[in-house]
Amino acid sequence: DGGITQSPKYLFRKEGQNVTLSCEQNLNHDAMYWYRQDPGQGLRLIYYSQIVNDFQKGDIAEGYSVSREKKESFPLTVTSAQKNPTAFYLCASSQTGGGEKLFFGSGTQLSVL
Amino acid sequence: GQQVMQIPQYQHVQEGEDFTTYCNSSTTLSNIQWYKQRPGGHPVFLIQLVKSGEVKKQKRLTFQFGEAKKNSSLHITATQTTDVGTYFCAGNSGGGADGLTFGKGTHLIIQP
Repeated sequence: DGGITQSPKYLFRKEGQNVTLSCEQNLNHDAMYWYRQDPGQGLRLIYYSQIVNDFQKGDIAEGYSVSREKKESFPLTVTSAQKNPTAFYLCASSQTGGGEKLFFGSGTQLSVL
Repeated sequence: GQQVMQIPQYQHVQEGEDFTTYCNSSTTLSNIQWYKQRPGGHPVFLIQLVKSGEVKKQKRLTFQFGEAKKNSSLHITATQTTDVGTYFCAGNSGGGADGLTFGKGTHLIIQP
């Protein structure tokens, strides 16, 4: 079955710690995205990538970093600089990144200890 | 920057009643997309509207795109318990991969 796999489903971060969220897709999509979802806030774009080894900041990139070394993979690191990291993180992909429909993973709930 | 306003934030209905959620964009859109997120789940694409004044139907769901391509609505006829969830619109300004702006969503709660 083709799709997007996010792991882990739940993640806890200690103060001062960096944590990395995994996102893998086997849809052969060029574009991948990371969104943050807070209650009542909708989805906000953190980073996106349209091609391997290239990525751009979204609306709320501060305190986050990404890499795109392989087409299938787009991991997100939540750094210690992100002071309010508790949220539901969604990875998505689309065919080319030209505004077409998004396919979402099942998400990672990140909480602070 | 582009803003997409979605109302209402919450909607309680009795099973069998109709439901409508509305989206308004601050700028003209190239297209608008609708997604549904079940409780505890992830957003799933429902439909994309591209043409001015476009109306599309999926069984009990009717989607409309305004003439000016700045507003859209989703109407569900005779709601069922399976319709529970949050409905998001996402406006595309045509600027590429970062051109999709999501509304805050409408939470549909259905009382049997």
